[in-house]
Amino acid sequence: SQQGEEDPQALSIQEGENATMNCSYKTSINNLQWYRQNSGRGLVHLILIRSNEREKHSGRLRVTLDTSKKSSSLLITASRAADTASYFCATDEDDYKLSFGAGTTVTVRA
Amino acid sequence: EPEVTQTPSHQVTQMGQEVILRCVPISNHLYFYWYRQILGQKVEFLVSFYNNEISEKSEIFDDQFSVERPDGSNFTLKIRSTKLEDSAMYFCASRGANTGELFFGEGSRLTVL
Repeated sequence: SQQGEEDPQALSIQEGENATMNCSYKTSINNLQWYRQNSGRGLVHLILIRSNEREKHSGRLRVTLDTSKKSSSLLITASRAADTASYFCATDEDDYKLSFGAGTTVTVRA
Repeated sequence: EPEVTQTPSHQVTQMGQEVILRCVPISNHLYFYWYRQILGQKVEFLVSFYNNEISEKSEIFDDQFSVERPDGSNFTLKIRSTKLEDSAMYFCASRGANTGELFFGEGSRLTVL
């Protein structure tokens, strides 16, 4: 299976702290993406990193990709209560399918 | 900002009944997808659709499922004879050319009794 697997399954942090979650996948990819899902809502795209990129930033988000280890990490800096959500990595091996992992549930305590 | 819209937001149906879930993708997008998420579980790929035909489908997408783009704007998922295990949130997504980002709708919650 091409699906990414996130680690940890759940994370609880204080507001202002950083949150780091990891994703591992199994075979070659074109790109890897991170999505956020608030409870009961649709998924929202956060960031896409291509297979030839190693690091990407977007606001308070930093994503790394290590294709040799088939892993990626998502760092959220200076977390806020509004960052409370589930975060999913998704791997794109072709134009027609994006495969999602099981997600990391992040709780930011005020 | 353009968005993907889905209807209904919640449907309750009896086992064995047919259900149609509707989606209006973003207007200039070319790739369309259905995913489902059983409560508390991962987001599972069902099917992708491009150039008026199915591009790829998962093992979940058996003969009970079908998709259609009847009029150039709507993209529908039909479940012919619902089972209890079809209860889930169904998400539609679309994607433009030359971009990997999927835009998701808010989902249709299907409850099969």
